[in-house]
Amino acid sequence: AQKITQTQPGMFVQEKEAVTLDCTYDTSDQSYGLFWYKQPSSGEMIFLIYQGSYDEQNATEGRYSLNFQKARKSANLVISASQLGDSAMYFCAMRRPDTGRRALTFGSGTRLQVQP
Amino acid sequence: SQTIHQWPATLVQPVGSPLSLECTVEGTSNPNLYWYRQAAGRGLQLLFYSVGIGQISSEVPQNLSASRPQDRQFILSSKKLLLSDSGFYLCAWSIKGFQPQHFGDGTRLSIL
Repeated sequence: AQKITQTQPGMFVQEKEAVTLDCTYDTSDQSYGLFWYKQPSSGEMIFLIYQGSYDEQNATEGRYSLNFQKARKSANLVISASQLGDSAMYFCAMRRPDTGRRALTFGSGTRLQVQP
Repeated sequence: SQTIHQWPATLVQPVGSPLSLECTVEGTSNPNLYWYRQAAGRGLQLLFYSVGIGQISSEVPQNLSASRPQDRQFILSSKKLLLSDSGFYLCAWSIKGFQPQHFGDGTRLSIL
């Protein structure tokens, strides 16, 4: 079965510094996609970035980038120049092959707190 | 552009009462639709997903059900709520293919 592991329950970072949020995954699927979502205290889930298993380049989206190391099965999220508004829960997720790659499996999340 | 509406935002219900949560999507057709539940401080757990009208795939819930009466409407129901049904319920949609899912604002359900 698939599994997403986020080993950092909580992280602190100073404003304007970069931070890396860890995500490792386990899957027997050859073709898969990895996602990162942000969940502020209000509760909505905001899509941040996507990496396909066959993408040769690491995904980037503004201040977000994904450090994808396929051999190590890791897909870490890097947030550059942290802002106070980045304080939130962050979830790593991947598509589930048993649902035709439609639904997502989520990790347990990392709570990021950005300090002024 | 596409939008997803989920209501109500907050709901307090007694044990044994029925439940109906509604989710609608605008600006797209034939989306995949999903219901997830999130326990406090945890990740999301898939409850149901649907690839078309009347097509529902179920995961773990024993006393919850889902229906898709229209292309862009997804309803989560229960005939008799349990204490363990408390949580944060999120509806999501995606277009076909390996596209990201987009979530509604969620419903916070408390069972008394």
